[in-house]
Amino acid sequence: SYELTQPPSVSVSPGQTASITCSGDKLGHKYVCWYQQKPGQSPVLVIYYNNKRPSGIPERFSGSNSGNTATLTISGTQAMDEADYYCQAWDSSTALFGGGTKLTVL
Amino acid sequence: EVQLVESGGGLVQPGGSLRLSCAASGFIFSYYRMNWVRQAPGKGLEWVSDISGSSSTIYYADSVKGRFTTSRDNAKNSLYLQMNSLRDEDTAVYYCARDGGGFSYDYWGQGTLVTVSS
Repeated sequence: SYELTQPPSVSVSPGQTASITCSGDKLGHKYVCWYQQKPGQSPVLVIYYNNKRPSGIPERFSGSNSGNTATLTISGTQAMDEADYYCQAWDSSTALFGGGTKLTVL
Repeated sequence: EVQLVESGGGLVQPGGSLRLSCAASGFIFSYYRMNWVRQAPGKGLEWVSDISGSSSTIYYADSVKGRFTTSRDNAKNSLYLQMNSLRDEDTAVYYCARDGGGFSYDYWGQGTLVTVSS
């Protein structure tokens, strides 16, 4: 079965760039989206169609997808960006989530 | 304003049944595919089910296939998840989510907690 793999944790200093990867076989052939989830809250869509930002999502969030890896990039990371991030894609009428990455801003 | 409000969660014994509801407002409900996604305590997101706007196509995760049934009532702007033969591993917060058309979920409810325990 198809799997999406994310690093469990990523750390970044305030103001620096954070990159969170999501890997899967030929993932570049699929559309990938990303969600942010803060403790006790519902997930929020931050990137869809690989690199599109929904209305209201800051420009510092961007995405890319090529080969076997999709990447969520947060430029000028702020303390408020500390959260869990999940990638998601579809395969054979099944929605798949990555295991999630805890982003720590320190 | 788009709103999704889940209800129906609670404590149920293994082998029991529960029916979740999701009340939608602020958009033309029948135009959108809707999904159920769950999250076990302290764990990641897990997709459960997807239903088209007309209910013509419904998909399930292997982990719930044959036990869970998704349905919708467009006249009542409501989505449902009938859960039978519940197991301990079904314990989770269950979210309903709208498929915004970009192979992604643009709106989520607040979730309802289902606890399966004896």
